[in-house]
Amino acid sequence: DARVTQTPRHKVTEMGQEVTMRCQPILGHNTVFWYRQTMMQGLELLAYFRNRAPLDDSGMPKDRFSAEMPDATLATLKIQPSEPRDSAVYFCAITNAGGANEAFFGQGTRLTVV
Amino acid sequence: KNEVEQSPQNLTAQEGEFITINCSYSVGISALHWLQQHPGGGIVSLFMLSSGKKKHGRLIATINIQEKHSSLHITASHPRDSAVYICALSRGSNYKLTFGKGTLLTVNP
Repeated sequence: DARVTQTPRHKVTEMGQEVTMRCQPILGHNTVFWYRQTMMQGLELLAYFRNRAPLDDSGMPKDRFSAEMPDATLATLKIQPSEPRDSAVYFCAITNAGGANEAFFGQGTRLTVV
Repeated sequence: KNEVEQSPQNLTAQEGEFITINCSYSVGISALHWLQQHPGGGIVSLFMLSSGKKKHGRLIATINIQEKHSSLHITASHPRDSAVYICALSRGSNYKLTFGKGTLLTVNP
């Protein structure tokens, strides 16, 4: 959806390297989610922000994952150090809490850690 | 037990057939979402429902809040409808989604 741009679309990296994924929502959507999709687990919530404040990151392995929202049009998800089990598609989604509540997803970042 | 269950897991149909995908859930919700994901592709929101029925083109979504059940129907199915269809719940004021495992639909010409 054009409301959300994710970069990069694909990333292949070696185990131990740092990975940063970016999500750029258009203005007007105050809630940003990070989801991870794997064949085994399907879609899982990692973290989400409202009005740039982190509300819930209980789905995220804290020792290696971090999520931030430095401004209203940029959210980042960082993995350091990356591991092969982190290989998945990472989706950013946005909604407007208090508004229509429909969710809009980015195209995803397909991460492969070798 | 998962909070949201979809059936069937896999569905193969011939072009033109009427398709139904079901979603049952076990918790209170503020809305139910139907999402579509083409192979290797992104996720597109098809419908968001809190009651009744919605229609968009050949797609129809219904929800029965009392029975905690929703259905997604596709009329006159086409090979381009081949995708994974995912049911997702949003609850309370959190708006975060809980996802079903998805239904893989293949429509053959």
